[in-house]
Amino acid sequence: GDSVTQMEGPVTLSEEAFLTINCTYTATGYPSLFWYVQYPGEGLQLLLKATKADDKGSNKGFEATYRKETTSFHLEKGSVQVSDSAVYFCALSDGGSQGNLIFGKGTKLSVKP
Amino acid sequence: DAGVTQSPTHLIKTRGQQVTLRCSPKSGHDTVSWYQQALGQGPQFIFQYYEEEERQRGNFPDRFSGHQFPNYSSELNVNALLLGDSALYLCASSFSGSGAYEQYFGPGTRLTVT
Repeated sequence: GDSVTQMEGPVTLSEEAFLTINCTYTATGYPSLFWYVQYPGEGLQLLLKATKADDKGSNKGFEATYRKETTSFHLEKGSVQVSDSAVYFCALSDGGSQGNLIFGKGTKLSVKP
Repeated sequence: DAGVTQSPTHLIKTRGQQVTLRCSPKSGHDTVSWYQQALGQGPQFIFQYYEEEERQRGNFPDRFSGHQFPNYSSELNVNALLLGDSALYLCASSFSGSGAYEQYFGPGTRLTVT
């Protein structure tokens, strides 16, 4: 079945460092891809999305490009802040009229001042 | 504009008991999905409700059941609770006409089974 694999954490960076969190997927169809962020004690917030190959999702300085040839959707940010400390989840929608989301296990990011 | 709301925030139950969790979708949304998030894991899909019917279901036993009301709000019921049911239960809502499968999540209900 469809699945998402993302890099194991935790990831610890200094403020203003460059961030990459790798995400690859397996899907039989043409899924939509998402990054969600979960701050401590909270639910999930949609960070960005891409619905077809070569689409680039972006929000709050974060970017990810839907790469069909490598089945990847890596999350990047040029300069992280302490406030970016959270758990990041890569997810895909398995299609259908309102496809359910399939999540990776999450990557915890800690940014030190 | 109120987002997705869930109640209660926290709940402690004993093995074998039954529990009901509630969710109100974001204004304008008509579809509700439920997810279980165990500690340190990604959310796992339980089921989805649309037009008051279960439209999709994940790999969860029949002990997990749900309901959607005419105002689109939803309940998740879990019978015969097991220790392994301890988790954060997330409700997500979406609009069937959006076409982008974009789901908005509530803050979750933390269920502890002792």
